[in-house]
Amino acid sequence: SQQGEEDPQALSIQEGENATMNCSYKTSINNLQWYRQNSGRGLVHLILIRSNEREKHSGRLRVTLDTSKKSSSLLITASRAADTASYFCATDLNAGGTSYGKLTFGQGTILTVHP
Amino acid sequence: DGGITQSPKYLFRKEGQNVTLSCEQNLNHDAMYWYRQDPGQGLRLIYYSQIVNDFQKGDIAEGYSVSREKKESFPLTVTSAQKNPTAFYLCASSTIRLVWAGELFFGEGSRLTVL
Repeated sequence: SQQGEEDPQALSIQEGENATMNCSYKTSINNLQWYRQNSGRGLVHLILIRSNEREKHSGRLRVTLDTSKKSSSLLITASRAADTASYFCATDLNAGGTSYGKLTFGQGTILTVHP
Repeated sequence: DGGITQSPKYLFRKEGQNVTLSCEQNLNHDAMYWYRQDPGQGLRLIYYSQIVNDFQKGDIAEGYSVSREKKESFPLTVTSAQKNPTAFYLCASSTIRLVWAGELFFGEGSRLTVL
């Protein structure tokens, strides 16, 4: 089964509203990353949060990480129609203190922002 | 400009044929990856390589083969043994980190359709 699972699967909001997506995972991680994918395109890295960090900001993005609950959330504030895309979390599994050097992706949240 | 180039963007194949997808990067990254994406699903890792002349199987390597003869290139062959090859294939690269996996840089993908 997938390491990361996003919730909700789909989210539809109006421009100006905030969008919150959640990601849960099952085993110990080194870091968790969020990516964006426009339809039919490659993925673009948004933000990386390490296992010893609890919150991180980048522009209109805010990511939190709760390692005790094995979950993360991505908040997009003041959303725009151009934010319409799929958003994926990806986890770097902890391999006894180091990394396997690969990411495991969740199934994604499809965000639609209506103008 | 630095980046990852995948070709072809669209490919049609008859059953029983092998096809090779190209992936070239000029980012001077050591690690390269191949992911498969099916509709409504996340990315699943096929193969990855952290150094020239070495590669490891991912979660769904059956029916696929790769080579890493040059740092810049990581071609993926979809063989006739792959039972359900119709999918969107994404190549990515990253720098090597000793303790944790860094961000991935993705190509624009290759869409393979088996007729």
